[in-house]
Amino acid sequence: EAGVTQFPSHSVIEKGQTVTLRCDPISGHDNLYWYRRVMGKEIKFLLHFVKESKQDESGMPNNRFLAERTGGTYSTLKVQPAELEDSGVYFCASKSSGTGVLFGEAFFGQGTRLTVV
Amino acid sequence: AQKVTQAQTEISVVEKEDVTLDCVYETRDTTYYLFWYKQPPSGELVFLIRRNSFDEQNEISGRYSWNFQKSTSSFNFTITASQVVDSAVYFCALTTILTGGGNKLTFGTGTQLKVEL
Repeated sequence: EAGVTQFPSHSVIEKGQTVTLRCDPISGHDNLYWYRRVMGKEIKFLLHFVKESKQDESGMPNNRFLAERTGGTYSTLKVQPAELEDSGVYFCASKSSGTGVLFGEAFFGQGTRLTVV
Repeated sequence: AQKVTQAQTEISVVEKEDVTLDCVYETRDTTYYLFWYKQPPSGELVFLIRRNSFDEQNEISGRYSWNFQKSTSSFNFTITASQVVDSAVYFCALTTILTGGGNKLTFGTGTQLKVEL
């Protein structure tokens, strides 16, 4: 079974440019999450999808960040325009919605390292 | 508010030494789960263990063991006879009913473990 896959693994862009990160969750996982780790700090929650609906986007930093999950499969996270403080590692995770998995394990991808220069 | 503290930023040990990674958490909820994740150099977060707030039994899995103490709000992780392959960043995380019903992990800042020959 394929794990959570994220593209690209690395991205270097200039301030003011646009970048789109992609996440392919584990097949059949309704829950999809985005997290971010900035400069060796803690990994912080950004948002949570259930299928194609945004369940919780309380962690999104500002309106320069736009997440979508059309069709309830893969998700994209667009940063437009990118700022220096957006640099960090963006993680995607997915989790099943089956019975008994309310506090279940979320499977993480390898992350996308974004550098804004 | 939830909080996870990993006071050890970096630990270096020589192979075969035992090492303990500390994790202290804060939450007002009585129902919560604690997690440990490992981030090897390849980048992905690998699930190690999940523990619920009603089960304080220590757990051992091979060279790994976890000590959960509600009295001190700690969930420490010990690696016995460490190996070079254990070198990674280790994250402790917490989720509760209050934080989106288990759909939002609160992470610590991570501990970088370096195991040298």
